[in-house]
Amino acid sequence: QVQLVESGGGVVQPGRSLRLSCVVSGFTLSSSGMHWVRQAPGKGLEWLTVISYDGSKKYYTDSVKGRFTISRDISKNTLYLQMDSLRADDTAVYYCAKGQSWSAFNWGQGTLVTVSS
Amino acid sequence: QSALTQPPSASGSPGQSVTISCTGTSSDVGGYSYVSWYQQHPGKAPQIMIYEVTKRPSGVPDRFSGSKSGNTASLTVSGLQAEDEADYYCSSYAGSNVVVFGGGTKLTVL
Repeated sequence: QVQLVESGGGVVQPGRSLRLSCVVSGFTLSSSGMHWVRQAPGKGLEWLTVISYDGSKKYYTDSVKGRFTISRDISKNTLYLQMDSLRADDTAVYYCAKGQSWSAFNWGQGTLVTVSS
Repeated sequence: QSALTQPPSASGSPGQSVTISCTGTSSDVGGYSYVSWYQQHPGKAPQIMIYEVTKRPSGVPDRFSGSKSGNTASLTVSGLQAEDEADYYCSSYAGSNVVVFGGGTKLTVL
């Protein structure tokens, strides 16, 4: 059974950094591309980034390019999202998702990041 | 990387059918067969309902169907049930290895 569990969210000051984790089970990270998607309070879904099944390719939406970095540790079954230079408009619930055919097939429960002074 | 356009709301009575549209451009919806639809109940994570325009993952009722014509994709929910009341989002591959979502549609079962 595929499961994804995010953690690492919390309250952080503008300009600071935060790293989110997503522990997966029921499949291996080396077999699937993985996405991060976020949802600001009361707003819609926003796709952020994807890492290829072999970890060699990483792509980002323009709004986070240069500030966010996706990575993974196969040995720990863990996907990461390093978020630097955080801004108030980065406040959102962040979801990791297992990819398939440019879809987010399985989702975690999400972790809330609040950027506030 | 502009968001896809969805109507803010849609509604129907139990047993009826409702269709939600998702309009993009030839650079996303119209250019690829990678349109997906997601259902999200309040306070919950999204769940995939349709992928590759028309395909249903296992476990998704066949009351849910997807289609595409030109730059517009559609999700049809037939035989509406109370539990179908939720927010629905479309997404599409937009070339250059990025994905774009629609703004979401709130479906109300009257």
